Amino acid sequence: SYVLTQPPSVSVAPSKTARITCGGNNLGSKSVHWYQQKPGQAPLMVIYSNIDRPSGIPERISGSNSGDTATLTISRVEAGDEADYFCQVWDASSERAIFGGGTKLTVL
Amino acid sequence: QVQLQESGPGLVKSSETLSLTCTVSGSPMRSYYWTWIRQPPGKGLEWIGYGYVSGNTNYSPSLQSRVSISVDTSKNQFSLKLRSVTAEDTAVYYCAGMTTLDSFEIWGQGTMVAVSS
Repeated sequence: SYVLTQPPSVSVAPSKTARITCGGNNLGSKSVHWYQQKPGQAPLMVIYSNIDRPSGIPERISGSNSGDTATLTISRVEAGDEADYFCQVWDASSERAIFGGGTKLTVL
Repeated sequence: QVQLQESGPGLVKSSETLSLTCTVSGSPMRSYYWTWIRQPPGKGLEWIGYGYVSGNTNYSPSLQSRVSISVDTSKNQFSLKLRSVTAEDTAVYYCAGMTTLDSFEIWGQGTMVAVSS
């Protein structure tokens, strides 16, 4: 079965740029989605279809996907960005969703 | 604005059936594939399965033998049943909606279900 791999944690200083990776075999051929989850809250989609932002998501949050790695980039990091981030793809062959293990972003 | 609200018991006894309902407001039921996702305490997200108004369903292979999802358009609700639960089924259960079989655009707030022995 398809596996998505994320680093357990990423730390970044305020105003710097955070990059969270999601790895998978030939991931660049798939559509990757990213969710932000703050403590005690439901996940919130922040990037869909590799690069698109839902309404209300700030432009400093962006995504890319190429080769075996998708990346969520958060520029000018703020304290409010501290959260868990999950990547996700839909495996069309088995018709099921696959999530990465999640990355905890800590703002120093 | 589409809103989802989970409801059901917060405590289920081991070996019994976990039953949850998600009430949908602000959207026709045919507009989404309706899904359930769970998150054990301190862990990641696990997709459980989806149902559609047509009756089509699909489930995670790891849960397929114990799970069923149904959609009730007359009540604007969809439901999850998970049989023969164990402590490993203790989790926050989220209902969510997908306009296509791809990403989860809308989520409920989640409901914690603990399995007791």
